[in-house]
Order: sequence, then C-alpha cells, then structure tokens
Amino acid sequence: QAQLVQSGAEVKKPGAAVKISCKASGYTFTNHAMQWVRQAPGHGLEWMGWINSVNDNTEYSRKFRGRLTFTRDTSASIGYMELNRLTSEDTAVYYCARQRDDSDAFDIWGQGTMVTVSA
Amino acid sequence: YVLTQPPSVSAAPGQTASITCGGNDIGSKFVHWNQQKPGQAPVLVVYDNTARPSGTPERFSGSNSGNTATLTISRVEAGDEADYYCQVWDSTGAEPVVFGGGTKLTVL
Repeated sequence: QAQLVQSGAEVKKPGAAVKISCKASGYTFTNHAMQWVRQAPGHGLEWMGWINSVNDNTEYSRKFRGRLTFTRDTSASIGYMELNRLTSEDTAVYYCARQRDDSDAFDIWGQGTMVTVSA
Repeated sequence: YVLTQPPSVSAAPGQTASITCGGNDIGSKFVHWNQQKPGQAPVLVVYDNTARPSGTPERFSGSNSGNTATLTISRVEAGDEADYYCQVWDSTGAEPVVFGGGTKLTVL
C-alpha cells in the first residue's frame, strides 16, 4: 500500500541546517504533490509548504521563506526538505504528506522526523 | 484565514461527539479532518466535507455549511480518543493551507 517513510531524528546546533528525506512507495510518485507540515511539542499542525507534481514548482509559507527548500528525486521517489539557520523555535516533528490527486486533502502521512535544536 | 476549533470535547462510549470548525464562509470551501493519536502521525478521516477514505469507519461523518464545519463521531469508542484537526485550502488568503488549532476528544 502507499506509504511515506522519513529519515531519522536529528539534533542540530543553532545556526545549522537540517535536511529530511521522505521516501514514497506503493504509488506513482509523480502523480501527487508533496506537502510538508511541522508540529512543535505540545502544539498543533503548522503548514510549511508544498512541491507540486507537474513541474516541481514550490510554494513556501511566508514564515519560512528564505530559509526553506523543497526538492525531489523522482527517479528514487524521494522528497527532501531543507531548513537553514535553525533556532530553538524550529524544534519540532516534521511531517511529509501526500496530497490526493483529486482533492487538496493530505491522505498519506510520513511517520514524522523529530528535529531538536539545542546548543 | 482563521479556523477556530474548541480546545476539548468529551463524550461517553456509545454517545455522539461533535467537533466544530469555524471560519468565515467556510461552507464555500472543502474541509478535511485529520485524527492524531498521541505519538503518532495524523491520519485523514474525512475529506471534501463528507467523504471518507477507505478504512475510516462509517461512524465518522462530516458536514459543512455557512460559517461552521462539523465532524460527527457516532457511537464513540475508547479508540477514538485523539486530537482532531480541520484543514482547508484557501487560495485567496496569505497562506493556501490552513489548519485549525485542534480539538482534544476525551472518551469518558
């Protein structure tokens, strides 16, 4: 069945960058946009942005513009999220999610990747 | 665009739980509902206001009209205890994807 498997937990120092991978399987990778969402400890879901399936165009939340980059390796069915200039406020669980091809709902979610930013 | 959810809702087993999601003219948008159990990733339970993905029990239903969307869980079970988040796509707003703040469903 369709699934998304993310890379493992990361610990980073302030000012560093983190790159998370999200490997898709069980479906045609290029038929679906990939969304990225994060969740700080004890908080709700926060949308970060997305990369579309047609031409790799991206859209980023205003909050992250300038330090967030999404890329895809379609040959390997992997999506990547890179966040730069980390601060303690970036400590969170990061999720990738598949967008349905007939809706803007997110129907498959990765298991999440915990990123801890600490000096 | 802002989506407003009550922080908590409770229901006894076998009863009905209703979780609301308020937004300006939300009835003109498609609303999706995600369930998140502690320590787990979210799971889509209702999309496009009323549709259920395969695997979502029929006890879960959605509605959307005016300024309020509602997720209704009939015959609540202990396993339904979770946080529930509504979500919309708002192409006219500052951000295209908006989540509600989440509602904690407690099964008494």
